[in-house]
Amino acid sequence: KAGVTQTPRYLIKTRGQQVTLSCSPISGHRSVSWYQQTPGQGLQFLFEYFSETQRNKGNFPGRFSGRQFSNSRSEMNVSTLELGDSALYLCASSSTGTDNSPLHFGNGTRLTVT
Amino acid sequence: QKEVEQNSGPLSVPEGAIASLNCTYSDRGSQSFFWYRQYSGKSPELIMSIYSNGDKEDGRFTAQLNKASQYVSLLIRDSQPSDSATYLCAVPNQGAQKLVFGQGTRLTINP
Repeated sequence: KAGVTQTPRYLIKTRGQQVTLSCSPISGHRSVSWYQQTPGQGLQFLFEYFSETQRNKGNFPGRFSGRQFSNSRSEMNVSTLELGDSALYLCASSSTGTDNSPLHFGNGTRLTVT
Repeated sequence: QKEVEQNSGPLSVPEGAIASLNCTYSDRGSQSFFWYRQYSGKSPELIMSIYSNGDKEDGRFTAQLNKASQYVSLLIRDSQPSDSATYLCAVPNQGAQKLVFGQGTRLTINP
């Protein structure tokens, strides 16, 4: 079974630009979660989608948004990029998204904002 | 109080010894617990899950859970240099559809 696939692997953007990251979950997984990882803050939850519905959102500004498609693939968008948005963005999928279902992570997208 | 707390380390253990990693959590209602390993520059990889009090063994790894003390640990026996990584403890936020991660413990196995 193929794992979680994230594209692109690396991105370099300029302040003020916007960016879209893509995630394809493990086949059959309906829940997709997004996390931001930085050295200082660790893994911070962005949002979780299940069957095209956002079920939970973390404490990030509205510049961070996401969506999920009917095939469970997900995208996240960051508008008006700031230097502090430089981070590793991780997508993870799980079968149901319930408490007993572990997350399986993709390789991440490394975003650098200059 | 943070939802999930870990000693950030670094923890240095000689090759062949037992590495012990600890995690405490705040939500008494938590029912499942996960350990992830993250190598430098890579994404987290699930290595253990535990749902019941007591020990769960998988090869050289043993997860220990004590719900009364809100404490979960990971033991790595016969530590190898390849075990050098950051280990993340993760606990679901009840009903919030999110997994909360500790800051991670950086483990170094010295040959």
